[in-house]
Amino acid sequence: DAGVTQSPTHLIKTRGQHVTLRCSPISGHKSVSWYQQVLGQGPQFIFQYYEKEERGRGNFPDRFSARQFPNYSSELNVNALLLGDSALYLCASSTLRGTNYGYTFGSGTRLTVV
Amino acid sequence: GEDVEQSLFLSVREGDSSVINCTYTDSSSTYLYWYKQEPGAGLQLLTYIFSNMDMKQDQRLTVLLNKKDKHLSLRIADTQTGDSAIYFCAESVRTSYDKVIFGPGTSLSVIP
Repeated sequence: DAGVTQSPTHLIKTRGQHVTLRCSPISGHKSVSWYQQVLGQGPQFIFQYYEKEERGRGNFPDRFSARQFPNYSSELNVNALLLGDSALYLCASSTLRGTNYGYTFGSGTRLTVV
Repeated sequence: GEDVEQSLFLSVREGDSSVINCTYTDSSSTYLYWYKQEPGAGLQLLTYIFSNMDMKQDQRLTVLLNKKDKHLSLRIADTQTGDSAIYFCAESVRTSYDKVIFGPGTSLSVIP
């Protein structure tokens, strides 16, 4: 069975540009969460989606948005990129609305903003 | 508030036991987790413990939870060079939804 897949694996963008990151959860998982991991730090919560609805949002500006599709895959969009948006973006899926049994993470998308 | 703290570095000799410590602040945490991250990779769930448990053992891994002190530890027995990685402590916080709060990670170096 495929795990959580994210694309692309690496991306270089210029300040001010827009980026879309994609995530496919494990088959049967209806909950998808997005995290930002800046180098040397732990992951920071951005969004959680369950059954195609936003269930939670972390302390991130409105430049960050996301959505979940009927097949439970998800996109994270970031507008007006800043240098500080350079990070590893992790997608995680779980079977339940909650995270009782832990997330399964993808390998992430490494975004570099220059 | 929601905060998870860990010591940032730990160095042990191969074959010794490693103990990674973590403190958290949210008393409503339901589950606590240990994740492992190897260079350039995503996060791998190692183990988790329910908040009403004191201890959980899984092969070389032992998790101890002191709920009164909000202290969690991960013991790795017979540490191997392949255990070198960053270990993240995390807590599940129940608000109107469930989210997982991560600590800053402990970088474990195993000396051959």
